[in-house]
Amino acid sequence: GENVEQHPSTLSVQEGDSAVIKCTYSDSASNYFPWYKQELGKRPQLIIDIRSNVGEKKDQRIAVTLNKTAKHFSLHITETQPEDSAVYFCAASKGGGGFKTIFGAGTRLFVKA
Amino acid sequence: GAGVSQSPSNKVTEKGKDVELRCDPISGHTALYWYRQSLGQGLEFLIYFQGNSAPDKSGLPSDRFSAERTGGSVSTLTIQRTQQEDSAVYLCASSLFPITGYTEAFFGQGTRLTVV
Repeated sequence: GENVEQHPSTLSVQEGDSAVIKCTYSDSASNYFPWYKQELGKRPQLIIDIRSNVGEKKDQRIAVTLNKTAKHFSLHITETQPEDSAVYFCAASKGGGGFKTIFGAGTRLFVKA
Repeated sequence: GAGVSQSPSNKVTEKGKDVELRCDPISGHTALYWYRQSLGQGLEFLIYFQGNSAPDKSGLPSDRFSAERTGGSVSTLTIQRTQQEDSAVYLCASSLFPITGYTEAFFGQGTRLTVV
């Protein structure tokens, strides 16, 4: 069945450094790749997404890249701040019949001040 | 504007009792998911409803777990004969059914279940 693998499970960085979280997906028909951030005690919320017809997308300090050939996509956070500390989930989905969003297992990011 | 609403927000139950968890999705969202999140862990997929199609129950961990969605809106997750390992936060999410696949999932605040 469809699967999304996410690495690393835990990531600790110094404030100001960059953080990279990587995901791979199994279903080559997947065409939408959102990223969700879950702060402690709160619900996951969408922070950025990318469609399969785009290779990279940026929004201030965060960016996502997609390699369709390798079925890899990544989240990049630059100039990390303590408030970036959270659990990040990648996901993959496709449209049409049988649509379902598949989530990765999550990455717990710690940003040390 | 109402988001995804879950009730109760917290539930403490005795081992062996049955519990029902409720999810009110965003109006018009035909896709509805249930996930389980144990302390410090990721999202464990439980079940997925899409419109009038048969639900995808592939993530339900045992036959003690069941879910239904009445009228294509409200969903109830039922856990029978609860066990301590059922203790977790149960998250519901809903989304529009996408023709293209580009759709955001909106999560409820979760129900924290504690089995004592």
